[in-house]
Amino acid sequence: AQSVTQLGSHVSVSEGALVLLRCNYSSSVPPYLFWYVQYPNQGLQLLLKYTTGATLVKGINGFEAEFKKSETSFHLTKPSAHMSDAAEYFCAVSRAMGRDDKIIFGKGTRLHILP
Amino acid sequence: DTGVSQNPRHKITKRGQNVTFRCDPISEHNRLYWYRQTLGQGPEFLTYFQNEAQLEKSRLLSDRFSAERPKGSFSTLEIQRTEQGDSAMYLCASSLTPEQFFGPGTRLTVL
Repeated sequence: AQSVTQLGSHVSVSEGALVLLRCNYSSSVPPYLFWYVQYPNQGLQLLLKYTTGATLVKGINGFEAEFKKSETSFHLTKPSAHMSDAAEYFCAVSRAMGRDDKIIFGKGTRLHILP
Repeated sequence: DTGVSQNPRHKITKRGQNVTFRCDPISEHNRLYWYRQTLGQGPEFLTYFQNEAQLEKSRLLSDRFSAERPKGSFSTLEIQRTEQGDSAMYLCASSLTPEQFFGPGTRLTVL
């Protein structure tokens, strides 16, 4: 079975400060890992994904995440927060192979940007 | 290609009524997924199709729920005898690769 734990349902950072959203996963098989962002009353937009290869992945809007197998983590970072980054962020996992490729989502972290 | 579309965007219904939602995936995508998202939670998997075949259904999908994808293109999700607990955002996604592209969702409110 696969699962995702996001640490902190709410995170507040000042504009211009580092953004760090934490995600730990559990998977009995090699995982694919994702970060999605959701703005109010909208669907989910993919920020970045890890499938294979380089463990540091870069995404849109200046976000990046590092896959650390030994720590079963996939934390999301951005060097300098913008007001427009305020949204809900979801970490997610799926199986790397086989038919069962549904995505399992964490409960989300709401990011607040302080002026 | 305008992405995944879902209709209606909002649906308000009375308890006991039936509702049907539609999802139009990105045209070349052979996989289509339905998720449900309640307030303060992440999306939860309901079911998915590869072409017209429904390959998996979550235990969240009670007997009152049925999904179809008759020609391997658009899909419908029907909820019969709606209950207040069905109030949620229903999200559709499609994919060709591990990356899933999500539609804007249909927000269902059951009064």
